Amino acid sequence: EDKVVQSPLSLVVHEGDTVTLNCSYEVTNFRSLLWYKQEKKAPTFLFMLTSSGIEKKSGRLSSILDKKELFSILNITATQTGDSAIYLCAVNNQGGKLIFGQGTELSVKP
Amino acid sequence: NAGVTQTPKFRILKIGQSMTLQCTQDMNHNYMYWYRQDPGMGLKLIYYSVGAGITDKGEVPNGYNVSRSTTEDFPLRLELAAPSQTSVYFCASRLVGDLSNQPQHFGDGTRLSIL
Repeated sequence: EDKVVQSPLSLVVHEGDTVTLNCSYEVTNFRSLLWYKQEKKAPTFLFMLTSSGIEKKSGRLSSILDKKELFSILNITATQTGDSAIYLCAVNNQGGKLIFGQGTELSVKP
Repeated sequence: NAGVTQTPKFRILKIGQSMTLQCTQDMNHNYMYWYRQDPGMGLKLIYYSVGAGITDKGEVPNGYNVSRSTTEDFPLRLELAAPSQTSVYFCASRLVGDLSNQPQHFGDGTRLSIL
């Protein structure tokens, strides 16, 4: 059975801290891994990763995929209160399904 | 630039009532999806469609039906609402092709309560 597992499930940090969110997966016919940020409403797309070892970066956020060990990490440096959200990891298989993890709820305190 | 539009935004139903959640996209995406998200949980796939006239079950299809008569529209129907269907429902779409691997675009969600 395909599954995506995120850890930790919740995290509380202070502004300025660096955080690492984890996502491991077991999916048949892997095609890509995606990270989303969800605040009040719909998930907002952050990154899509298809190749191992290539870091994707956007401002203070970065992500990397390891297809051999079947995991990805999302790093956020110099966290701000606006980074507080649920971060969702999802894996796309060849059939077009997108399988989501449970999410990591990040809370950044001033 | 509408993207994915869901209606209604909120709805309260009585047990046993039926309703249709509407979803339309104007990006000419071939794939469309319905998810539900319960409090503190990730998204669970209900149904998806790879093109007009084709639908497939996801992880949690029981109690729901879908249709895809056009590329733009992918309505989700609840025939006999049950309290277990209280959730937030998200519709998403995506362009998928041999050379294309695009992320999903999500609607703003429909918050449904069944009492």
